Amino acid sequence: GAGVSQTPSNKVTEKGKYVELRCDPISGHTALYWYRQSLGQGPEFLIYFQGTGAADDSGLPNDRFFAVRPEGSVSTLKIQRTERGDSAVYLCASSFQANTGELFFGEGSRLTVL
Amino acid sequence: AQKITQTQPGMFVQEKEAVTLDCTYDTSDPSYGLFWYKQPSSGEMIFLIYQGSYDQQNATEGRYSLNFQKARKSANLVISASQLGDSAMYFCAMREGSTNAGKSTFGDGTTLTVKP
Repeated sequence: GAGVSQTPSNKVTEKGKYVELRCDPISGHTALYWYRQSLGQGPEFLIYFQGTGAADDSGLPNDRFFAVRPEGSVSTLKIQRTERGDSAVYLCASSFQANTGELFFGEGSRLTVL
Repeated sequence: AQKITQTQPGMFVQEKEAVTLDCTYDTSDPSYGLFWYKQPSSGEMIFLIYQGSYDQQNATEGRYSLNFQKARKSANLVISASQLGDSAMYFCAMREGSTNAGKSTFGDGTTLTVKP
């Protein structure tokens, strides 16, 4: 597809379970970003990749959160031992390069932890 | 301190009128970029307009213009001739120079409602 694709669009899980959220960026975009958005707030930065490496993971809230981008394209955000406070919309974005241009966002993955 | 402040949680405007959405920012980096994004109720964030810190002129994109006042650290978005489809949440964002090259910081947004 032409845009950023995120799956699943909705995920309901129980407290303590493991969750994976997937992002497929726009072809040719070397930079990929994960943000978290809670209701009524702006996106909160989590991590960004330039190519395969995590260039800045300063926004990951704790060690239960981890993200990978093994081949420099698709990325997976992994959340272990989910907590109710992890409930949010997780947004993925990509850009041609990390330090130039606007972000292109996907539609997000809504995570609900019961 | 908040890096991006949007003081208007909600705004109303009459169709075909102009509206200004406020944004102030805080940075000590001389090189930065300012962005506005629109998020309709469907959820997908859409880029509207960009202003670089060294740009001499205010950015314009169709009905969108950015009122950039560097000394005041403000970057207000002006939407002219509002349309019903402009009803959405609007976010101001900043990306600071080379030290945080990839990371954009967002404000908490302004909900704009266009009335017919």
